[in-house]
Amino acid sequence: AQTVTQSQPEMSVQEAETVTLSCTYDTSESDYYLFWYKQPPSRQMILVIRQEAYKQQNATENRFSVNFQKAAKSFSLKISDSQLGDAAMYFCAYRSALIQGAQKLVFGQGTRLTINP
Amino acid sequence: DTEVTQTPKHLVMGMTNKKSLKCEQHMGHRAMYWYKQKAKKPPELMFVYSYEKLSINESVPSRFSPECPNSSLLNLHLHALQPEDSALYLCASSHVLAGGSVGQETQYFGPGTRLLVL
Repeated sequence: AQTVTQSQPEMSVQEAETVTLSCTYDTSESDYYLFWYKQPPSRQMILVIRQEAYKQQNATENRFSVNFQKAAKSFSLKISDSQLGDAAMYFCAYRSALIQGAQKLVFGQGTRLTINP
Repeated sequence: DTEVTQTPKHLVMGMTNKKSLKCEQHMGHRAMYWYKQKAKKPPELMFVYSYEKLSINESVPSRFSPECPNSSLLNLHLHALQPEDSALYLCASSHVLAGGSVGQETQYFGPGTRLLVL
């Protein structure tokens, strides 16, 4: 079974600074997808960024980028120019690409990010 | 449009009540999911529907009864719940991943229903 580990329960950063959230995963599969979801206090889960395991290039979405290290099974999220609206719980998630059909996401325990003004 | 809607936003019910949660999406997704989320924890999968058929049941107690009447709508019927069932219930939807399909695996979540069982 796959597992996802987020070793930082809480992180804080000054507004406009850069912060990196860590995520490691364990799988024996060769093809999969990785996601970062953001859940602000309003509680809606919002997709931040997605990475396909077969792609070597790291995904980027505006101020959000990932450092995907497949051999090390690491998938960290970098937030540049942090804004107050980035304050949220961030979940790293894994989904197999080898199993067709609707499948579950495997979530990490989450990292609560605080932005200090 | 990547919107999933859920009603009601909040629900308070007694242990003898029967209530239903509703989820709707109009993105053409044929997979829909129910998750339960306790405070400060990740979502836990409860049920998955694929093409309106139940494909995954994560050993959820029978007091939770899912229903998928059509491809856009997902219900969760609640009966005789316990106080420990109080949580945020999240609905999500996605395309059904087929061989060679890329970019269709993302799950989009609704805002959730916050349930309190007294």
